[in-house]
Amino acid sequence: GDSVTQMEGPVTLSEEAFLTINCTYTATGYPSLFWYVQYPGEGLQLLLKATKADDKGSNKGFEATYRKETTSFHLEKGSVQVSDSAVYFCALRWIQGAQKLVFGQGTRLTINP
Amino acid sequence: EAQVTQNPRYLITVTGKKLTVTCSQNMNHEYMSWYRQDPGLGLRQIYYSMNVEVTDKGDVPEGYKVSRKEKRNFPLILESPSPNQTSLYFCASSLLTSGTPDTQYFGPGTRLTVL
Repeated sequence: GDSVTQMEGPVTLSEEAFLTINCTYTATGYPSLFWYVQYPGEGLQLLLKATKADDKGSNKGFEATYRKETTSFHLEKGSVQVSDSAVYFCALRWIQGAQKLVFGQGTRLTINP
Repeated sequence: EAQVTQNPRYLITVTGKKLTVTCSQNMNHEYMSWYRQDPGLGLRQIYYSMNVEVTDKGDVPEGYKVSRKEKRNFPLILESPSPNQTSLYFCASSLLTSGTPDTQYFGPGTRLTVL
């Protein structure tokens, strides 16, 4: 079945470091891909998304490119801040017929000053 | 302000005592869903609803019930809670695009402990 695999956390970085959180998926066809972020004590909120191959989603300095050939949607940021500390979830959904999002297990990111 | 609200935010209860977690959205979304979040397992869908009076099981529906009598509300009911239902619960809603849920908006979560 459809699945999403994220790199295991927790991930700890220093402020201004470069961030990559890996996400790969297993699915037939061409799903839409999402990154959601969960700040401490809050619900999930959409960070960025891409709906077709080679699309790049971006928001708040984060970027992710939909790579069909490697079935990946890695999240990157060039210079992280303490305020980026959160749990990040990769997710997919089908464009037609799917009634849900399929989530990865989440990656906890901690940024130290 | 567009939002999804859940109540209560925190609940400690005992095995077998029926409880309801309420969820309400003010965005006129057709689609609503309940998830539970457990360490190392990500979010798993419990139930979802495509519109009023239309509900269906997600991946982990056992021990839960839902209803959708109004478009804005989607309560989650635990008729006889058990300790394995201790978890963090999220309600979400979205518009339907081409018949499938689009970007989902999440509530703040309900942390449930069943003793």
